[in-house]
Amino acid sequence: QSVLTQPPSASGTPGQGVSISCSGSSSNIGSHSVYWYLHVPGTAPKVLIYKNNQRPSGVPDRFSGSKSGTSASLAISGLRSEDEADYYCAVWDDSLSGWVFGGGTKLTVL
Amino acid sequence: EVKLVESGGVLVQPGGSLRLSCAASGFTFSNYDMHWVRQAAGKGLEWVSGIGTSGNTHYSGSVRGRFTISRENGKKSLYLQMSSLRDEDTAVYYCVTGGDGWDVWGKGTTVTVSS
Repeated sequence: QSVLTQPPSASGTPGQGVSISCSGSSSNIGSHSVYWYLHVPGTAPKVLIYKNNQRPSGVPDRFSGSKSGTSASLAISGLRSEDEADYYCAVWDDSLSGWVFGGGTKLTVL
Repeated sequence: EVKLVESGGVLVQPGGSLRLSCAASGFTFSNYDMHWVRQAAGKGLEWVSGIGTSGNTHYSGSVRGRFTISRENGKKSLYLQMSSLRDEDTAVYYCVTGGDGWDVWGKGTTVTVSS
């Protein structure tokens, strides 16, 4: 099991909003910036959010990130079918002296 | 074009060794931290190892003591020397870098550890 806990699955209908949580501890999320990645199997992962809430150029503003204490969240508004993918949070962990990924959340757009 | 191309993935027996390579192009390689991330079939992403611009290295607990990451800036190349390979090291290995988040990923190279 990962030190970062994500729900294994999430779902929503087109146009709806959905939120994916990432729970950690003081040695990771509590002390460092959180990153979010989208991964469509068979393709290279893509960074959606960096430094907790920053969007790289080209990422739609439908995607937003937030962090509070030892937890972080990725919110997706106006769901589209192409949002169906696996989503991962990632952060540096002081106790492990390394990066850790959450277990991933499979988003289904119904 | 910014590009990372991994190579070296093959079928290897348990206990064996292997070296992965990653060729970088389109950016100033020496200015960026580099990482290896892997994904086993049906599993999530797992960070394996990283090396900083000054050569400082970090490893996940699952590979520490068995894998060695290195870089050759003059050749714009990243390496992962893997030894004492186990079944659970079977995965697609990605070479990764970036400034604000890891926004450059290779297509991956497949390592299969099996007898």
